[in-house]
Amino acid sequence: DTGVSQNPRHKITKRGQNVTFRCDPISEHNRLYWYRQTLGQGPEFLTYFQNEAQLEKSRLLSDRFSAERPKGSFSTLEIQRTEQGDSAMYLCASSPSSGTSWYEQYFGPGTRLTVT
Amino acid sequence: GENVEQHPSTLSVQEGDSAVIKCTYSDSASNYFPWYKQELGKGPQLIIDIRSNVGEKKDQRIAVTLNKTAKHFSLHITETQPEDSAVYFCAARFPPGGGADGLTFGKGTHLIIQP
Repeated sequence: DTGVSQNPRHKITKRGQNVTFRCDPISEHNRLYWYRQTLGQGPEFLTYFQNEAQLEKSRLLSDRFSAERPKGSFSTLEIQRTEQGDSAMYLCASSPSSGTSWYEQYFGPGTRLTVT
Repeated sequence: GENVEQHPSTLSVQEGDSAVIKCTYSDSASNYFPWYKQELGKGPQLIIDIRSNVGEKKDQRIAVTLNKTAKHFSLHITETQPEDSAVYFCAARFPPGGGADGLTFGKGTHLIIQP
């Protein structure tokens, strides 16, 4: 257990519905990242935050994807109007932004999304 | 953008033997290369990493080597044990100066330890 938690662990939804996932990073980490992992592939970077500021969002897969980190602690990832192609594992990671280990990203267990 | 290639996709070794997984990256400005182990149903676990100012790093049975000139890095596991069976991913940090901070991952190696 890395200390990064994600909820829910599994989500089944019907096509066209909206879903929201939550990530709680390691408490002293101020960088937070979202990745998507499809079957048989490595994680794919989506977006990241430094405290509450979203510093990169051009790699979000479409405008149906959005993320927030309102108080610089937990973060949410929302997918609107889900499609079957959104079925994947959504992973969150966190890292410190200073010190000797500031490059190290620690991942949570992920949220498995199934769109039917 | 950065591209990371990983080989082999599957590796089967006898318990007690060594395993080697290799990765290449495309952008010479990349400066950080972690390795992750992922077990079924779990998130990736950071097992070792190396920065571009170091050629080799070792942690007990696990070692990583980096060749900046050739732009490749490798994971070495010695005295393999059944609990080493998992999918291993290499990654490269986005090159600095691009405005984003994240990792590009390889496609993974399924390591199977045969008893």
